[in-house]
Amino acid sequence: TQLLEQSPQFLSIQEGENLTVYCNSSSVFSSLQWYRQEPGEGPVLLVTVVTGGEVKKLKRLTFQFGDARKDSSLHITAAQPGDTGLYLCAGVVGSSNTGKLIFGQGTTLQVKP
Amino acid sequence: NAGVTQTPKFQVLKTGQSMTLQCAQDMNHEYMSWYRQDPGMGLRLIHYSVGAGITDQGEVPNGYNVSRSTTEDFPLRLLSAAPSQTSVYFCASARRGRNTDTQYFGPGTRLTVL
Repeated sequence: TQLLEQSPQFLSIQEGENLTVYCNSSSVFSSLQWYRQEPGEGPVLLVTVVTGGEVKKLKRLTFQFGDARKDSSLHITAAQPGDTGLYLCAGVVGSSNTGKLIFGQGTTLQVKP
Repeated sequence: NAGVTQTPKFQVLKTGQSMTLQCAQDMNHEYMSWYRQDPGMGLRLIHYSVGAGITDQGEVPNGYNVSRSTTEDFPLRLLSAAPSQTSVYFCASARRGRNTDTQYFGPGTRLTVL
């Protein structure tokens, strides 16, 4: 069974601080995705990383895929209250066309003004 | 486009009752799936479909049935609800092919089984 372990589960920081969320597995994934979820809504895709070692940036968010494609990280620079939410990593099971995802437990981020 | 819609938004059932959670998408996506979200456990795949007439089980299929008679609709049926099925249910859709893994989620149905 493929598992994704996400850490930390909860994070409460002050506006302007930096943070990193980790997503680790013993399994290899063809690609890995990061979602953000607001209360009462469904997850929204932020980014997909496909190649080992790949780094993608989305404004103040930096996503990295591990060289062995077993882990990923999300780094937020100078966090803002608008970054508050639940962040989920998800690994694509099997080939990239299966559409089946395995999710981590999620990281609840609270950014205080 | 409305995207992925789910009804109802909230539902309370008694143990043993049955109900159907509705999911529809207007993006002509071939792939549709159902997940449940429980505290501290992320989202877990219940059932999925790669096209009309084709369904398969996910990680936690027991207690749930699905069918896919049209491209647009993918209902989830609970035949005899149990308290363990209290959860938030999300439907998702995606286009098959290069973009299969970009899934679009509905707003969710919050189900409580007493």
